[in-house]
Amino acid sequence: DARVTQTPRHKVTEMGQEVTMRCQPILGHNTVFWYRQTMMQGLELLAYFRNRAPLDDSGMPKDRFSAEMPDATLATLKIQPSEPRDSAVYFCASGLVLRQVFSPLHFGNGTRLTVT
Amino acid sequence: TQLLEQSPQFLSIQEGENLTVYCNSSSVFSSLQWYRQEPGEGPVLLVTVVTGGEVKKLKRLTFQFGDARKDSSLHITAAQPGDTGLYLCAGWGSTGRRALTFGSGTRLQVQP
Repeated sequence: DARVTQTPRHKVTEMGQEVTMRCQPILGHNTVFWYRQTMMQGLELLAYFRNRAPLDDSGMPKDRFSAEMPDATLATLKIQPSEPRDSAVYFCASGLVLRQVFSPLHFGNGTRLTVT
Repeated sequence: TQLLEQSPQFLSIQEGENLTVYCNSSSVFSSLQWYRQEPGEGPVLLVTVVTGGEVKKLKRLTFQFGDARKDSSLHITAAQPGDTGLYLCAGWGSTGRRALTFGSGTRLQVQP
């Protein structure tokens, strides 16, 4: 069974440190999403890529967050410097998004980030 | 920004009861999906509805897409403890924005 893999599963870091989260999407999927989930805000869309090109990153604070997709098997989300308010579960999801096809998104199990 | 509001936010019921969860928006969506999420895992797709007025059944779960494609509902008949989880509706935007926007979620607990 193909699945989206996220690493690390848990990350505890101090304020000001750099955090890098990684995602391996499902082979053949053309779209990769990054979401952040908190109790207060629910699932927020941070950024997404289609065929490795960034389409929209308006959901993330650009002064500290960056998202890249260096190749088809790896997507990264970086926070530098991290702040306590960044504490959340970060999900990566991939899917095959075509003009009239609404495929399911396949989610990883998330990275639980705690910034102290 | 396309917003999806879900109600209720929390629901605690006894095994065997029926329930309905609502998902509303002022925006029109190309399609709407329902996901279920369990603790420590990512959301998993339950169903996709595309046509206004569409009704889909998945065993004891019935999903409906509003005629105007702005709202949806999930009805569970004879709920079981295994139905416990976070239910999320999510809408696919129009052609210019092929992104999935999630609702705030409904946390369901079914007591045995």
